[in-house]
Amino acid sequence: DTAVSQTPKYLVTQMGNDKSIKCEQNLGHDTMYWYKQDSKKFLKIMFSYNNKELIINETVPNRFSPKSPDKAHLNLHINSLELGDSAVYFCASSQVYGTSANIQYFGAGTRLSVL
Amino acid sequence: LAKTTQPISMDSYEGQEVNITCSHNNIATNDYITWYQQFPSQGPRFIIQGYKTKVTNEVASLFIPADRKSSTLSLPRVSLSDTAVYYCLDSGNTGKLIFGQGTTLQVKP
Repeated sequence: DTAVSQTPKYLVTQMGNDKSIKCEQNLGHDTMYWYKQDSKKFLKIMFSYNNKELIINETVPNRFSPKSPDKAHLNLHINSLELGDSAVYFCASSQVYGTSANIQYFGAGTRLSVL
Repeated sequence: LAKTTQPISMDSYEGQEVNITCSHNNIATNDYITWYQQFPSQGPRFIIQGYKTKVTNEVASLFIPADRKSSTLSLPRVSLSDTAVYYCLDSGNTGKLIFGQGTTLQVKP
């Protein structure tokens, strides 16, 4: 059983399109995250939701909109895709929010290529 | 901007012990020190976490001196499958993990 699963694993699309990436966790965690890993391999946090409420929004363009229908899901919708959006996007979850001993569990990533 | 500093790369041979040291010059009082491992085409995976002194689990040991300005991840008897990128982080209560460039460990036969 995959703890944090993302779909799709690969996504190739044209500039200007709108696409979504789905994430589900079966760990019973309260908090979920989206990270972006660029070509230089730096992982940067984008968003975090705790119990379906947005708690972290790291100056990400408005074209990116996370949606959390329930605690187990955090989807990422991207409008008007640009070349610079090409990256690997990782979803993660943690049991609680607001503790320093917070351990995050990551999905396998979605490799987005914008042509 | 990453809060930690670690070597960009390290080489080792199978069967050796590998120690990766990280600087935590800006660590806050409540921060924990956490290490993650990332294989190609996979997400980061938690390895070990500690606050001070020594922590050991089935995968690694973590040494943290009293001033907490550094930490050392120790991997005993590495194998080829330990080739990966290793990240050290200061884990605060904001939930934000700030990843640096990590240390790329290459284990050779």
